[in-house]
Amino acid sequence: SQTIHQWPATLVQPVGSPLSLECTVEGTSNPNLYWYRQAAGRGLQLLFYSVGIGQISSEVPQNLSASRPQDRQFILSSKKLLLSDSGFYLCAWSRDRGGRETQYFGPGTRLLVL
Amino acid sequence: DAKTTQPNSMESNEEEPVHLPCNHSTISGTDYIHWYRQLPSQGPEYVIHGLTSNVNNRMASLAIAEDRKSSTLILHRATLRDAAVYYCILRAFAGGTSYGKLTFGQGTILTVHP
Repeated sequence: SQTIHQWPATLVQPVGSPLSLECTVEGTSNPNLYWYRQAAGRGLQLLFYSVGIGQISSEVPQNLSASRPQDRQFILSSKKLLLSDSGFYLCAWSRDRGGRETQYFGPGTRLLVL
Repeated sequence: DAKTTQPNSMESNEEEPVHLPCNHSTISGTDYIHWYRQLPSQGPEYVIHGLTSNVNNRMASLAIAEDRKSSTLILHRATLRDAAVYYCILRAFAGGTSYGKLTFGQGTILTVHP
């Protein structure tokens, strides 16, 4: 069976510090990978998606970046965090494309920027 | 993706059926109807999806109106663990090549009373 891991589970960082969140998927190959962010009391916003190693597409301009160094590893980074980067970060994977696609989400990382 | 409309909140008693409605009057002929739910402090979880016919799985049933302009997620016997935010999402079928941007609205907050 497939499993998706995210770490750390929670993180408190000062403004201006760097960020690195990691997501790994087990039990599947060549998954589509996604990073979402959920601000407090709001819906999910897609940040990045990747259909293969080294292939990253960004949905919204921001001070965050993503990388996919290995097939089942997806990393979210920032060089300097802003207060507005606080939120619940979720990684997701899928196999299919189009209307039938089902996404499977990780447990998330709760980030607080102070 | 086309827009969906859901009630902000609903309440149910434990072990009673729950019918969660979703309106999608602008749905196109190839849009799939997906339901996800998000338990407190967790990532979203896939529940069910369908295109035209009613669908059943171990978690729930999906009833789709004949004109496809609305659908209903049915939890046959609500438990306390079903308390979550339920999201109704339309996913476009684009020849199987579209990436999986899930557009989450505000969803319906389901409260289950013991």
